[in-house]
Amino acid sequence: AQSVAQPEDQVNVAEGNPLTVKCTYSVSGNPYLFWYVQYPNRGLQFLLKYITGDNLVKGSYGFEAEFNKSQTSFHLKKPSALVSDSALYFCAVRDTGGSSNTGKLIFGQGTTLQVKP
Amino acid sequence: DAGVTQSPTHLIKTRGQQVTLRCSPKSGHDTVSWYQQALGQGPQFIFQYYEEEERQRGNFPDRFSGHQFPNYSSELNVNALLLGDSALYLCASSFFTGGFNYGYTFGSGTRLTVV
Repeated sequence: AQSVAQPEDQVNVAEGNPLTVKCTYSVSGNPYLFWYVQYPNRGLQFLLKYITGDNLVKGSYGFEAEFNKSQTSFHLKKPSALVSDSALYFCAVRDTGGSSNTGKLIFGQGTTLQVKP
Repeated sequence: DAGVTQSPTHLIKTRGQQVTLRCSPKSGHDTVSWYQQALGQGPQFIFQYYEEEERQRGNFPDRFSGHQFPNYSSELNVNALLLGDSALYLCASSFFTGGFNYGYTFGSGTRLTVV
């Protein structure tokens, strides 16, 4: 079964420091990976995606993610965290299985990022 | 360019009642997917509609049903509401071509509370 794991419920980082939010995945075939951010009482906002190509993907708001096939990981990173980055972050993989390939997204449980001033 | 629009934003219903949630997809998108996000959890796929038909369904009971209209908008209906149906319901639209869905865009969601 295809799945996504976010091993940390919460990540705390000081403003100005680098941040990493971890994600590992399990899929059959080539993975299509995504990161979304969710602010309180809001929907999901797309940050970035990996389809193919360069293992370092750059996205919105200064975020980037590193795809590592051997470790089946897709960690989200940012060189310098802002207080406004505090939110709930979701890693997702596009489902490639089944006879009806709708490409539905399979999400991790989410990681709360807390950036302190 | 309007994004995905969901209505209503908040809703309170009583156990046993029925509810209808609505979604208008992003301009140019022809596919609508619905997700349920319970408190403290990641979104879970309910079903997807394309060409006015349900293409795939997640692990949800038949109390959950949907519809897609010719203008690509969609409704999610939940019958016989249970307390456990309380959640944020997210609509995501996309464009289907070449056998794949591209460019998922999510709405802000409808917060359903069942009392």
